[in-house]
Order: sequence, then structure tokens, then C-alpha cells
Amino acid sequence: GNSVTQMEGPVTLSEEAFLTINCTYTATGYPSLFWYVQYPGEGLQLLLKATKADDKGSNKGFEATYRKETTSFHLEKGSVQVSDSAVYFCALSDQWGNNRLAFGKGNQVVVIP
Amino acid sequence: GAVVSQHPSRVICKSGTSVKIECRSLDFQATTMFWYRQFPKQSLMLMATSNEGSKATYEQGVEKDKFLINHASLTLSTLTVTSAHPEDSSFYICSARDSGDPNYGYTFGSGTRLTVV
Repeated sequence: GNSVTQMEGPVTLSEEAFLTINCTYTATGYPSLFWYVQYPGEGLQLLLKATKADDKGSNKGFEATYRKETTSFHLEKGSVQVSDSAVYFCALSDQWGNNRLAFGKGNQVVVIP
Repeated sequence: GAVVSQHPSRVICKSGTSVKIECRSLDFQATTMFWYRQFPKQSLMLMATSNEGSKATYEQGVEKDKFLINHASLTLSTLTVTSAHPEDSSFYICSARDSGDPNYGYTFGSGTRLTVV
């Protein structure tokens, strides 16, 4: 079945540092890929998405490129801010229209001033 | 953009009572809504898929008689936790997909923190 794997453990970094969160996936066909962000005590917000290979999703300085050859969708931001502290989830939905999202375990990002 | 309203945001109830959580799509129609449960510092676990006008589809291991789902209209799904117990305490999140969105847009509610005492 479909699955999403995110790197283990929280990520702690200083303000203005470069952020990378790795995400790889297993799926048949051509899934759509998403990054969601969850702030403390809140639901999930869509951060960015890509629906086909080589697409680059971007929003609020975050970027991720759909790499089919490496089955990856790594999230990057060049200069993080304290306000970026949150939990980030990688997710996919398959192309067959069953409407279900498969989530990774999430990564807690803590940005220190 | 698409907005999903989830209510209440927090609820405390006594053991043995039932609690209803509402999930509304405010500016779009959703033939399908999803209910998730999230434990502290963990990912979302899909509990069930709510289908407008028909029975919900529950994930393996989720008790359908305990977590009652009703999706009576294209904009409203409800989750009722029946005879709640402390182990049901969790963060519950709903999600809806815009039926008219070709790009599989999923919008999440802000979640409900349930505490059973």
C-alpha cells in the first residue's frame, strides 16, 4: 500500500538557518504529494503540493520538488524564522481517486532566536 | 479559499457520556469527509471516511459502534464518541475534500481536544 517516510526526530535550528526535512514515499502510479504544517493546538494547514513528477510546490519561502526517480519530496527553506516552529507532515494521495491521504509521522521543527 | 469549521475546539466530559463533534465545509460541498485521531506528538490516524448519504467506512480496528459518524448533508459530518472513557481522550481532526476541486484539495478543521475525566 501507499506509505510516507519522514526522517526521524525533531529538528532544532537557529533563526535564519537552512531547513531540510526529508520525505520519501512508496506508491503505485503517480500520486499527488503534499506538505502540511500544524501549529500547536491547531489542525493542519496545507503548505504546498505537487501533483506530477518534477513539479515544484512553493509557499511562504518553503519549496519541495516531486522527484519520481528517487520517490522523494523533501521540504526546504533557505532562512527559517521563529514563526516557522511547528510540526510538518508529508502526505500523499494516490491517483486512483480513493480520496485518502497517507501521512508521514511528522517532524517537530523548533527555531531558536 | 476552502474553509472547514470544526466545533467544539475543546470539550471535557465525564466518563460514560457521549460527545458530538461537528465538521462543516463553509464554502464548498464535500461528498467525502475524513475523521482522524492524533495522539500526542504522533501522526494522524485515519479513523473513518464519511460519505454523504451513506454509511461511513471505518478503518480496521476502529469501533463503529463507539465512533458514530453521520454525514447527512454535503456540508456537515458529525462524529459522536459514545460512552466515552479516559482512553478516548485525544485530538480529533476532520478533513473535507472539495468535490469540485480537480487537484484533490483537502482542507482540515482546527481540531477538537477531547478530555474524558
